[in-house]
Parts: sequence; C-alpha cells; structure tokens
Amino acid sequence: NAGVTQTPKFQVLKTGQSMTLQCAQDMNHEYMSWYRQDPGMGLRLIHYSVGAGITDQGEVPNGYNVSRSTTEDFPLRLLSAAPSQTSVYFCASLPLKGGNTGELFFGEGSRLTVL
Amino acid sequence: AQSVSQHNHHVILSEAASLELGCNYSYGGTVNLFWYVQYPGQHLQLLLKYFSGDPLVKGIKGFEAEFIKSKFSFNLRKPSVQWSDTAEYFCAVRRNNRLAFGKGNQVVVIP
Repeated sequence: NAGVTQTPKFQVLKTGQSMTLQCAQDMNHEYMSWYRQDPGMGLRLIHYSVGAGITDQGEVPNGYNVSRSTTEDFPLRLLSAAPSQTSVYFCASLPLKGGNTGELFFGEGSRLTVL
Repeated sequence: AQSVSQHNHHVILSEAASLELGCNYSYGGTVNLFWYVQYPGQHLQLLLKYFSGDPLVKGIKGFEAEFIKSKFSFNLRKPSVQWSDTAEYFCAVRRNNRLAFGKGNQVVVIP
C-alpha cells in the first residue's frame, strides 16, 4: 500500500516554462487536494476534487490547473511558471465514505523552484 | 471564507516546560478540527482530531486539545515537552469538503 505518491520530489524551472506535478493514491479516496506551503503562510489550498470528473478551486488557484480523470490521479499543472510559484507542494487525499475519520493523507511533497 | 488563526508563530521553550498553542476559527456551523505536526524535512502527520463528543481530546505523544465552541477555539497543550517535539504545528478546520490550515506555530525545544 503506497499511500499518496508525488513526483517529482524536486524541480527547477525557468520563468514561463510549463510542468505537471503528479499525484497518485491507491487507497480509493474520493477526495484529493493540492496545497502549497510557504514560510509563515501555512498550507494554502490550491485546488481540490471530490471525485473523478469533479474539481473546484481553493484559496490560491491562479496559475494552476487540475483535472481528475480517474479516482487515483490528480495532476497539478503550471502552464507558465512564475517565481511566485516557488514553493513546496503537497498532495493530500481522504475518503469521503465508509467511516471517514477526516484525516488527510499527505504525500512527501514536491519542492519547486522557479528562476 | 474560512479563516483559521494561530498566534505566536515562533515559540522557544526548554525541555519539561508546558506548551499551549492557540487556534481560533471564524465561522459557525458544524466543523471538524485537527492538529497536524510537521517534523523537520517531513510531511504533515495527524496529532489529534475532534469531530463530536468530549471536547477534550487526547492525541499521540502526550498532546491534548480542548474544543471550546463558544470561543471558536481548539487549543493544543502538552504538559511537559521534549526536545523531539521541535516541529511546526498546524491547526486545521474542515467544513464540508474544504480543509483550511492556520499559518502554523514553529516550536523549538531547547535541551
């Protein structure tokens, strides 16, 4: 049982480049989400999804796109990277049915630097 | 909009001292409350959670938290900290399908 897997763990981009952060979970969780963590700012919700085909915006969605074509995968896309998107990104999931404890399961994080 | 407030972002204390971290949220209705801990270089781990029932909840590693509905608060406490409690602590509030985090408390325990 791998839990929540994020790739890559580290990435350096130039301004204007595009990239996708991958997130996969093997726990059949309906809910998946992306957060960014910046010093002194805590975790801020970027986008989230309550099931395949359903996505919604969080607190800081601008500059990011997501899709949820399967229950397992929830990729985060940066279409044109900016230095302000330098951050550590966490993917997290939780089950919405069947004895939901409300606990988020986090991936290991992806550190992105935009030059 | 959801708002979760944590005060005293940086806390430095000696081993065996008591720790209390405050958490307040700014909206009503039914909420679920959590404290997460992030040790250096690691991802977030759940310390404890409150859904309903006894407002005093006990978590792992000797931590506890008290939900005071009238004050919209969920403060975290530990009577006697250890050096290994050095970490960042985040309060989180879940309402419907959104989970919002506070800005965190950086706690440093000096041996």
